[in-house]
Amino acid sequence: NAGVTQTPKFRVLKTGQSMTLLCAQDMNHEYMYWYRQDPGMGLRLIHYSVGEGTTAKGEVPDGYNVSRLKKQNFLLGLESAAPSQTSVYFCASSYSGPLYGYTFGSGTRLTVV
Amino acid sequence: RKEVEQDPGPFNVPEGATVAFNCTYSNSASQSFFWYRQDCRKEPKLLMSVYSSGNEDGRFTAQLNRASQYISLLIRDSKLSDSATYLCVGNTGYQKVTFGTGTKLQVIP
Repeated sequence: NAGVTQTPKFRVLKTGQSMTLLCAQDMNHEYMYWYRQDPGMGLRLIHYSVGEGTTAKGEVPDGYNVSRLKKQNFLLGLESAAPSQTSVYFCASSYSGPLYGYTFGSGTRLTVV
Repeated sequence: RKEVEQDPGPFNVPEGATVAFNCTYSNSASQSFFWYRQDCRKEPKLLMSVYSSGNEDGRFTAQLNRASQYISLLIRDSKLSDSATYLCVGNTGYQKVTFGTGTKLQVIP
């Protein structure tokens, strides 16, 4: 039972480069989320999805785009990376929304130089 | 005032001790609260939910004080393996939750 799988686990980007982070879950969860975690800031919601084909903005969506073409996958894109996007990114999923608790992926450590 | 606020610690306690953390919230309408545990360089994992009068799971007890707008996590008989950062989470709107910045616990042999 894999749960929530994130790829890649580590990445170093140069300023201006683009990349896509992939999140896959095998729990048939409707809700999926992308968070970033920075020292002293706590987890902040970037974008989320309440079902296949839907996406919505979270607290810090600027500079990111997302897609949910299949129920099990939620992609996070950085079109033009900036040093301010250096962070640890966590994907999470939930069966019925955040009030029922999240299952998190193991995270992606991204450094933008 | 932050929506969900925690003392960052660290709390350094000896094995076998009892330790308690508090987490304050600013939205009096908040109904649902959670505690997550996060080990160093790992993902958060759900530890406990705190819905009304609190709950207990083994050595862990979570309480909700609505009058003073805080939740607490009590750990009895601390183990070395309890060393982690504990994240408080509260719902701050419809289908919206806010994470605290975490309280670090270090259990010392």
